[in-house]
Amino acid sequence: EVQLVESGGGLVQPGGSLRLSCGASGFTFSSDWMSWVRQAPGKGLEWVANIKDDGSEKYYVDSVKGRFTISRDNAKNSVYLQMNSLRIDDTAVYYCVTGFSLTYWGQGTLVTVSS
Amino acid sequence: DIVMTQSPDSLAVSLGERATINCKSSQSLLSSSNNKNYLRWYQQKPGQPPKVLLSWASARESGVPDRFSGSGSGTEFTLTISSLQAEDVAVYYCLQYYGAPLTFGGGTKVEI
Repeated sequence: EVQLVESGGGLVQPGGSLRLSCGASGFTFSSDWMSWVRQAPGKGLEWVANIKDDGSEKYYVDSVKGRFTISRDNAKNSVYLQMNSLRIDDTAVYYCVTGFSLTYWGQGTLVTVSS
Repeated sequence: DIVMTQSPDSLAVSLGERATINCKSSQSLLSSSNNKNYLRWYQQKPGQPPKVLLSWASARESGVPDRFSGSGSGTEFTLTISSLQAEDVAVYYCLQYYGAPLTFGGGTKVEI
């Protein structure tokens, strides 16, 4: 059974930083793309970033380019999202998701950007 | 970027009746290399992450009831729930995975 457990969310002030982590199990982590998707309160889904199985390719939505960095550690079956220069509109539940086509989803971690 | 336009925003359907949700893409999602449409449908219930219903526009995922079906090709797609059940109350999203950035439709809320 695929399991994805996100952590690292919380309350941060505008301009601050957070690092999200996602631990994965139940599949061959090192052979699959991994993605982050977010959902602002009461809103729809927005794909944020993804990373290829070996980390050689990374893609981002325009609104986070230059502020967020996705990375992975295949030895630890983990993917990360470093979020800098956070803005109020980054407030959302952040989901860790398997694959380029977004197959299995974690339960999400809430990031709240507020002063 | 590929823009996904979903309609309607919300839909009220009686139990046992048909629900139809539409999704249009700004570019074709049909690959000439494999003749597949890179379109997925998701169901999201309150407080839960989304769940994949259909891949490649019309292929039901394992365990998904056969009252859910998908159709369409190129730029226009449809999700149909043939006989709405109480447990189908949810928000439904389409997703294009033809290329990055991946983009979702705005969602359709289905109510009884």
